[in-house]
Amino acid sequence: GIQVEQSPPDLILQEGANSTLRCNFSDSVNNLQWFHQNPWGQLINLFYIPSGTKQNGRLSATTVATERYSLLYISSSQTTDSGVYFCAVDYSSASKIIFGSGTRLSIRP
Amino acid sequence: AAGVIQSPRHLIKEKRETATLKCYPIPRHDTVYWYQQGPGQDPQFLISFYEKMQSDKGSIPDRFSAQQFSDYHSELNMSSLELGDSALYFCASSPDVGANIQYFGAGTRLSVL
Repeated sequence: GIQVEQSPPDLILQEGANSTLRCNFSDSVNNLQWFHQNPWGQLINLFYIPSGTKQNGRLSATTVATERYSLLYISSSQTTDSGVYFCAVDYSSASKIIFGSGTRLSIRP
Repeated sequence: AAGVIQSPRHLIKEKRETATLKCYPIPRHDTVYWYQQGPGQDPQFLISFYEKMQSDKGSIPDRFSAQQFSDYHSELNMSSLELGDSALYFCASSPDVGANIQYFGAGTRLSVL
């Protein structure tokens, strides 16, 4: 099956810093989603981005499907950005999505 | 906007008991997915339904069963619970199997003692 790898696994930053999270996948995908899991466990949709670039406030994402990776950029980090960031891909006619192992982001005040 | 509703939010059971988790998808979403997330793990796909029929199956134990009803809500039934079943269980829904943008509920946290 497809492999989804995220890096770095952990990231600790000061408030106000910028960060880049990476997601590599081993096969062609139909779509890719980025999620934020907050400390209460809720999974929040950030982006649906099978290709191209999207921006939403301080967050933006880019997927280069031909090179099988996606990047999530967080600018001017806030403590509320803390949590685990997952990318997840849908790679076949099957409906399930496969999650990466996540990047745990901790923003220090 | 309406979101995916899961109930209960928290559930405590003892070993060998049964549990039923419920999921109400976003209105007009016809596909429902169930995922299990163990402590420190990423969510793992269990099972999905499209138009009340099972559409895909993942690593779901034989002790678990699920169905989607005529109003599109879904229930995950778990029997002979084991300590290892303690996890966060998510339901997600999507409006179209092809597009497959999945929206997740807040999850049910199951603790088996």
